Amino acid sequence: NAGVMQNPRHLVRRRGQEARLRCSPMKGHSHVYWYRQLPEEGLKFMVYLQKENIIDESGMPKERFSAEFPKEGPSILRIQQVVRGDSAAYFCASSPPNKAQYFGPGTRLTVL
Amino acid sequence: EDQVTQSPEALRLQEGESSSLNCSYTVSGLRGLFWYRQDPGKGPEFLFTLYSAGEEKEKERLKATLTKKESFLHITAPKPEDSATYLCAVQADRGSTLGRLYFGRGTQLTVWP
Repeated sequence: NAGVMQNPRHLVRRRGQEARLRCSPMKGHSHVYWYRQLPEEGLKFMVYLQKENIIDESGMPKERFSAEFPKEGPSILRIQQVVRGDSAAYFCASSPPNKAQYFGPGTRLTVL
Repeated sequence: EDQVTQSPEALRLQEGESSSLNCSYTVSGLRGLFWYRQDPGKGPEFLFTLYSAGEEKEKERLKATLTKKESFLHITAPKPEDSATYLCAVQADRGSTLGRLYFGRGTQLTVWP
């Protein structure tokens, strides 16, 4: 059973470009979460999604950030007009209902 | 405000020297407390879930315990391969934030031969 998959593993963008991060949950998991880890800081919750629904986006900045988990395909975290402060590791996690979250390997975003 | 504090920030142990990591938390209704291990450049790896005070879980050299205010991760006779950052997280039992995990900053464990 493959684990949570994220791609790309590393992403370099220039200021003002768009970043798209993809996450495929573990088989059988219907819940997806996105977290951000800044250098020297802990993991911070961003958004919680189920298929075609955003359950909790209170941890996500109101501007430039959006997330989706369509009926078919991976979950996408999209960052528009990236700034240097967006440089971080972005982790996706998935879980069945009411169970532990399993994390992917992360996408390391560098904004030049 | 929900908070998780881990101590110490860093811990160096000689191989075979047992010790404990601490995770203290404040949350309005604990749904679950989770321990993860994170190696450099990788995602957190799930270790344990604890749901109620008095509960204990074990896996190889690791044992996690839970009280009403804190959790301990006991490491017995550690080996160099146990070197990693250990993360503690809590999940609150509230409808609007039911899914999210609140993480501590972690304890960086180094075990030297």
